[in-house]
Amino acid sequence: EDQVTQSPEALRLQEGESSSLNCSYTVSGLRGLFWYRQDPGKGPEFLFTLYSAGEEKEKERLKATLTKKESFLHITAPKPEDSATYLCAVRGVGYQKVTFGIGTKLQVIP
Amino acid sequence: GAVVSQHPSRVICKSGTSVKIECRSLDFQATTMFWYRQFPKQSLMLMATSNEGSKATYEQGVEKDKFLINHASLTLSTLTVTSAHPEDSSFYICSAAGGPSLGYTGELFFGEGSRLTVL
Repeated sequence: EDQVTQSPEALRLQEGESSSLNCSYTVSGLRGLFWYRQDPGKGPEFLFTLYSAGEEKEKERLKATLTKKESFLHITAPKPEDSATYLCAVRGVGYQKVTFGIGTKLQVIP
Repeated sequence: GAVVSQHPSRVICKSGTSVKIECRSLDFQATTMFWYRQFPKQSLMLMATSNEGSKATYEQGVEKDKFLINHASLTLSTLTVTSAHPEDSSFYICSAAGGPSLGYTGELFFGEGSRLTVL
């Protein structure tokens, strides 16, 4: 069974203090690793898809990287509006189901 | 593009009544839709997968007679919580997988979620 473990569960940063969120996964044949942002009381908002080890994607202050066992979401010089829960998910070969981690709740303090 | 709309965003009902939640893909055809349930401080729990024109596939432990899912068209799926009880109170989120029109790459696009409170 696919598993996704995210760490830390919560992270508090000062504005401008860069950091990384971790997503460790086990899946039988990775078809895609996804990062989402979720604000309280809202549905997840798609950020990135990564498909193979070594792949990187960037969007504004966010950069996602992928290895064979884990993915990192790097946040450079975060702002208070980056505060949210960041979810990692994986999908394996041959099926539709996407498995999510619990998420990392990020708080950026001005 | 890839917008999914979910309605209602909040619903309060009495115990024993049924509640219907709609999920629409606004600008693409969704051959597959997924329904999730989310509890505080827990990951999204997949309830069922529905493909247009066929019966939904439910995850283990999800009562198909309580959570009725209909995917009648390529842009609409509905979740009906029948004979709702307080333990059904939760945050329900639908998602859609883009089909060929989006150059299907596996991403899910989520609706805004529906907060159900059963009194």
